[in-house]
Amino acid sequence: EDQVTQSPEALRLQEGESSSLNCSYTVSGLRGLFWYRQDPGKGPEFLFTLYSAGEEKEKERLKATLTKKESFLHITAPKPEDSATYLCAAKGSNYQLIWGAGTKLIIKP
Amino acid sequence: DVKVTQSSRYLVKRTGEKVFLECVQDMDHENMFWYRQDPGLGLRLIYFSYDVKMKEKGDIPEGYSVSREKKERFSLILESASTNQTSMYLCASSSTANYGYTFGSGTRLTVV
Repeated sequence: EDQVTQSPEALRLQEGESSSLNCSYTVSGLRGLFWYRQDPGKGPEFLFTLYSAGEEKEKERLKATLTKKESFLHITAPKPEDSATYLCAAKGSNYQLIWGAGTKLIIKP
Repeated sequence: DVKVTQSSRYLVKRTGEKVFLECVQDMDHENMFWYRQDPGLGLRLIYFSYDVKMKEKGDIPEGYSVSREKKERFSLILESASTNQTSMYLCASSSTANYGYTFGSGTRLTVV
């Protein structure tokens, strides 16, 4: 069964303290691994798409990487405005998105 | 700026009412989706559509129906609202070529 698991469920960091969020996936025929950011009471906002192992993408303090089994969202020197829930999703051979439950990131000033 | 617009941010409806949630996109996207999001359960797909007048069931279609009469508009219908349909409803769209989804701001529905 296709599955996407995110860890940790929640992560509290001090401002400037770098860390990584994990997204493990078991999806047949991966056609894309997606990262989204969601602020409270709002819809998810698209961040990155990764298509093949070894691929990396960056946006400001965020960098997403992909292996054959997992993806990481690295956050470097985070600021309080980076606080949000980060969602990961994988698209498999049936072109459906399989969503993880998300990681709630809190950055304290 | 491309947009997916959901007609209401907050709705309160009574049990048994027929509820319409509207979603409009201005990106000429072929694909449109309705999700619900609940704490601890994540995003769950209700229905999706790959073309006008076309619809496919997602993972949790029971109690819902959809309508897509025009390419830009995708409506979610709760035939007889129940309290277990209290949730955040999210509409999304995507093009066939670009796999990324664009989401609306969501409608928080409360059924009392």
